[in-house]
Amino acid sequence: QKEVEQDPGPLSVPEGAIVSLNCTYSNSAFQYFMWYRQYSRKGPELLMYTYSSGNKEDGRFTAQVDKSSKYISLFIRDSQPSDSATYLCAMSANTGFQKLVFGTGTRLLVSP
Amino acid sequence: EAGVTQFPSHSVIEKGQTVTLRCDPISGHDNLYWYRRVMGKEIKFLLHFVKESKQDESGMPNNRFLAERTGGTYSTLKVQPAELEDSGVYFCASSPYDGFGETQYFGPGTRLLVL
Repeated sequence: QKEVEQDPGPLSVPEGAIVSLNCTYSNSAFQYFMWYRQYSRKGPELLMYTYSSGNKEDGRFTAQVDKSSKYISLFIRDSQPSDSATYLCAMSANTGFQKLVFGTGTRLLVSP
Repeated sequence: EAGVTQFPSHSVIEKGQTVTLRCDPISGHDNLYWYRRVMGKEIKFLLHFVKESKQDESGMPNNRFLAERTGGTYSTLKVQPAELEDSGVYFCASSPYDGFGETQYFGPGTRLLVL
């Protein structure tokens, strides 16, 4: 069983839609939770990170962590075609020196 | 500020050959990580350097893989001899020594194909 589960998609939405991306995990030791965005032929780019449970908002992006359910989410409001990419969740149990454990990534397609 | 760079961007080799991948981290970043993504799978951790020392190499698949970080600057990952299952994208990431290593900056990756 994978430590982190993520639906690979693709998820297709029209421009302006609210997008919900999710991951579940099994390791209760995970404390740091991250979302990366990856465009084709590029490396992952950090979007947001949160520590423990709670919400964090940055512009059109909101990250949520529910440790009791071992479930994390990324919401994208007013989605744009430029948001089309693969979104990877990642998490770690360490502090400072992080060995990241990734989900497989969800491919998002936002059509104009 | 230059990001993490990796060389080569692509490599196609035959089974049994040797390949060396290079990563140049962001200047001043003490932490350097190697990850790998094989087709259809998630990105997986290989190892972590703090300066020139290996902090964690628990993800290295076997002794055909050798990673070095000369003088705490750039790093190389050598695969010798390469096998078919080594094909994938090899990512390097770096982060500053600030106690929050989750801020890892990734390079574009090296796409390795072993035939």
